[in-house]
Amino acid sequence: KNQVEQSPQSLIILEGKNCTLQCNYTVSPFSNLRWYKQDTGRGPVSLTIMTFSENTKSNGRYTATLDADTKQSSLHITASQLSDSASYICVVSATNSNSGYALNFGKGTSLLVTP
Amino acid sequence: DAGVIQSPRHEVTEMGQEVTLRCKPISGHDYLFWYRQTMMRGLELLIYFNNNVPIDDSGMPEDRFSAKMPNASFSTLKIQPSEPRDSAVYFCASSGTSGLEQFFGPGTRLTVL
Repeated sequence: KNQVEQSPQSLIILEGKNCTLQCNYTVSPFSNLRWYKQDTGRGPVSLTIMTFSENTKSNGRYTATLDADTKQSSLHITASQLSDSASYICVVSATNSNSGYALNFGKGTSLLVTP
Repeated sequence: DAGVIQSPRHEVTEMGQEVTLRCKPISGHDYLFWYRQTMMRGLELLIYFNNNVPIDDSGMPEDRFSAKMPNASFSTLKIQPSEPRDSAVYFCASSGTSGLEQFFGPGTRLTVL
C-alpha cells in the first residue's frame, strides 16, 4: 500500500534556529515528491518539486533532499522566521498507467516558530 | 493574475441539502484538482481534470459527490445530499501542462449541520 509518513507531527523552535522535517514513503512506482507549506486558513503553497534524478532542491531558506534508494526526503529550514510557522505537507506521486499519476499525502508537520 | 478563485469561502448548510462549490482556475492551466482536507484525514485528492476531461475520480467518496468542468475556466463540485461527515475544507487547485506545480485556491469551508 502506498504510504507517506511525516515526522515529527509537530515541532516548536526558537526564531533563528534551523530545523529538519522528515518524510518517508513507500510509494511505487515513484514519479515525484513535493513539499507544500500551508499557513493557517489558506491553501497549500508549493515549496519544492523533485523527480527521481534530483537529490536536492532549494527555495530560499528551504532546502529539500531526496534519497530515492531509501525512500526518504527531508525539508531543512535555515534561520527560521516567525512566518515559517505553518503546516508542511509531503506529497509523493506514483506513476499510474490508468490516470497519469496518483497522489499520496502525508498528514503534515505542524511547525511553530516562537520569538 | 488573480490566482485560483473559489466560492463561496464559507458554507453552512443542513443535512440533506445540496451543496455546490465553485472554482475558477488560473487562465491557461490545463489541470484542475479538487481536494478535501480534514483534521483526521489530512489532504485528500477527490478528482482531477485534464483539458476539462475527468481523468481520475477514484478519490470521490461516494455517489453523493459529483464534479463537472463544462469549460476551461469553471468547475463545480456538488454534494447531494450533504451529510455532517462531509464537513471539511474543500480546495481547488490548477496546474500548467506538466501537472506538477499546483496552485491552490483559498478553499471553501463547508459545515453540514
